[in-house]
Amino acid sequence: DIQMTQSPSTLSASVGDRVTITCRASQSISSWLAWYQQKPGKAPKLLIYKASSLESAVPSRFSGSGSGTEFTLTISSLQPDDFATYYCQQYNSYSWTFGQGTKVEIK
Amino acid sequence: QVQLVESGGGVVQPGRSLRLSCAASGFTFSTYAMHWVRQAPGKGLEWVAVISHDGSNKFYADSVKGRFTISRDNPKNTLDLQMNSLKPEDTAVYYCARRDSCLDSWGQGTLVTVSS
Repeated sequence: DIQMTQSPSTLSASVGDRVTITCRASQSISSWLAWYQQKPGKAPKLLIYKASSLESAVPSRFSGSGSGTEFTLTISSLQPDDFATYYCQQYNSYSWTFGQGTKVEIK
Repeated sequence: QVQLVESGGGVVQPGRSLRLSCAASGFTFSTYAMHWVRQAPGKGLEWVAVISHDGSNKFYADSVKGRFTISRDNPKNTLDLQMNSLKPEDTAVYYCARRDSCLDSWGQGTLVTVSS
């Protein structure tokens, strides 16, 4: 099975900061990577799919990049609504795996 | 708008069974693959199972293979998860979600607690 490793596990940042989260796959997944945002007690929300495609209605401050085994999620200017936990998720050969999550906290 | 509503969660003893359901509305259910994803208390997301749009293909996480069965009823717009031989480590919020390689719409989740 493909393992997904996110870093960091926790990130402390201030409003207006540029934030980058990294996700590494244990083997190549081409561009089959998605990013989700989850707030406490809520279902995850899709932000990015196919590594760099922005889901409809998601603010443009969110962007994704990468292919193969290395991927990043960038928030260009952190807003108060962005403090949450972020997960990457891969799809490969009828197997889906999530990263362990990155919690973005207020500094 | 797309709506997914899970039901069927509750407290169950180890070794017993439980059946979850997900009612879909606001989209053409029969054209989408559907998933179950779970989240143990305070933990991350774990993919559980997927079923193709027509029910012909089903895939499972190793942790539930042989114990859980995913199914769907397209005329009724419902997705089910039959969970047998439940273990304490199956305790989690179970979400149904839509689409194939990524999951673009999620329900609010239903809590399953496996405890004696």
